[in-house]
Amino acid sequence: NAGVMQNPRHLVRRRGQEARLRCSPMKGHSHVYWYRQLPEEGLKFMVYLQKENIIDESGMPKERFSAEFPKEGPSILRIQQVVRGDSAAYFCASSTQGMHSPLHFGNGTRLTVT
Amino acid sequence: EDKVVQSPLSLVVHEGDTVTLNCSYEVTNFRSLLWYKQEKKAPTFLFMLTSSGIEKKSGRLSSILDKKELFSILNITATQTGDSAVYLCAVEHLSGGSNYKLTFGKGTLLTVNP
Repeated sequence: NAGVMQNPRHLVRRRGQEARLRCSPMKGHSHVYWYRQLPEEGLKFMVYLQKENIIDESGMPKERFSAEFPKEGPSILRIQQVVRGDSAAYFCASSTQGMHSPLHFGNGTRLTVT
Repeated sequence: EDKVVQSPLSLVVHEGDTVTLNCSYEVTNFRSLLWYKQEKKAPTFLFMLTSSGIEKKSGRLSSILDKKELFSILNITATQTGDSAVYLCAVEHLSGGSNYKLTFGKGTLLTVNP
């Protein structure tokens, strides 16, 4: 049973480009969470999605960031017009029952904006 | 503001030592506290604690929660070099409306030297 799969592992973008981060949850998991981790900082919640629905996006910046979890395919975190401050590790996690069960994390995507 | 504070931020010990990692929290509508171990990649789940005073144990690791004093400790006995990692504490709590989310501490970086 494969774990949470994230790709790419590393992504380099120039300022102003778009970044797309993908996350395939564990088999049987329908709840997906995105977290961002800056150096020396803990994981910061960004968004919680179920299939075709955004449940909680209280941690998402109001501009340039969006997320989706379509009926078919992986969840996508999209960052438009990236800036240097977007450089971070972005982790996806999934669970079977939302917050009623422990989250299982992917290996993360490390985004570097040059 | 909801917060989770871990201490110490970093710790260096020798193999065979016993360590205690601390996590205190201030959140609204607490549900559970979780410990994760993060090496170079994905945080991996260790424990979920919901009740005070009940120790959870897994091999050389154990953890306990005090809901009155709002803290938890993670103990590792007979440490090994493979225990070197960042240990993350996260608290599940209600966040705006009816959704629960995890708030993470900054982590404790444990280094076990041979």
